Amino acid sequence: AQSVAQPEDQVNVAEGNPLTVKCTYSVSGNPYLFWYVQYPNRGLQFLLKYITGDNLVKGSYGFEAEFNKSQTSFHLKKPSALVSDSALYFCAVRDDGDDKIIFGKGTRLHILP
Amino acid sequence: NAGVTQTPKFQVLKTGQSMTLQCAQDMNHEYMSWYRQDPGMGLRLIHYSVGAGITDQGEVPNGYNVSRSTTEDFPLRLLSAAPSQTSVYFCASSFHPLDSRETQYFGPGTRLLVL
Repeated sequence: AQSVAQPEDQVNVAEGNPLTVKCTYSVSGNPYLFWYVQYPNRGLQFLLKYITGDNLVKGSYGFEAEFNKSQTSFHLKKPSALVSDSALYFCAVRDDGDDKIIFGKGTRLHILP
Repeated sequence: NAGVTQTPKFQVLKTGQSMTLQCAQDMNHEYMSWYRQDPGMGLRLIHYSVGAGITDQGEVPNGYNVSRSTTEDFPLRLLSAAPSQTSVYFCASSFHPLDSRETQYFGPGTRLLVL
C-alpha cells in the first residue's frame, strides 16, 4: 500500500527567501507524485506532478519539485517566496499498480512580510 | 464548463439521520473520488470510482456508500450519521489514472456537522 508523509505541520519563511516543503513517500511499484495547494475556504488546486522523466518538475505559480528516488522524496520548492504563497500544501502519491491517490496531512506555509 | 460541483455547501444533521452528498462533473472524467478533510488528518480517501458501474473503497469507507450509474455523477451516502462524520467533504475527478492527463480537479466542498 502507498503512503505519504509531510513531516512539518508548519513552515515559516520570510518573503523573498527560498522555500521548501518536504514530502516523502512509500510505494510498492513506481510512484506518481502530486502537489496541491489549498487557500482558505477553498478547494484544492493542482500545482504539479511527476510521472516519469526529468527529476525536476516545474509547475504553477513558480513552484517546482525535485523527485529523489533514493531518498523517496518529492520536496516542493520556490526560489523566492511571496506573501500570497501562504496556504496549506498537500503532497499526494499513487502507486502505478493501484488506482488510489493518497494524500499527506498537509503543511501550512506562512510567508512573513 | 462548470467543472466539479458539490451540493449542498453546508448541512447540519442529527445523529442517525441519513443523507446524500451530491457530486457532478462535466469534463467527461472517468475517475472520481471522495475525500474527507479533518484538522491534523489531512485528506483521507473514502471511496473512488474508475468508471461508471465501478466503485472501490479507500482508506476510510465505513459508514459511507457510493454508486456510479453515470460518468457525470458520484453521490456519497451517509447511512446513519455519527458525530465522527463531522467533516469537510471534497469530491474530485480526473481522467483515468493511466491517462497522462491525469490531474484531479476538486469541488468546493461540503461542510457537514453531525449533532
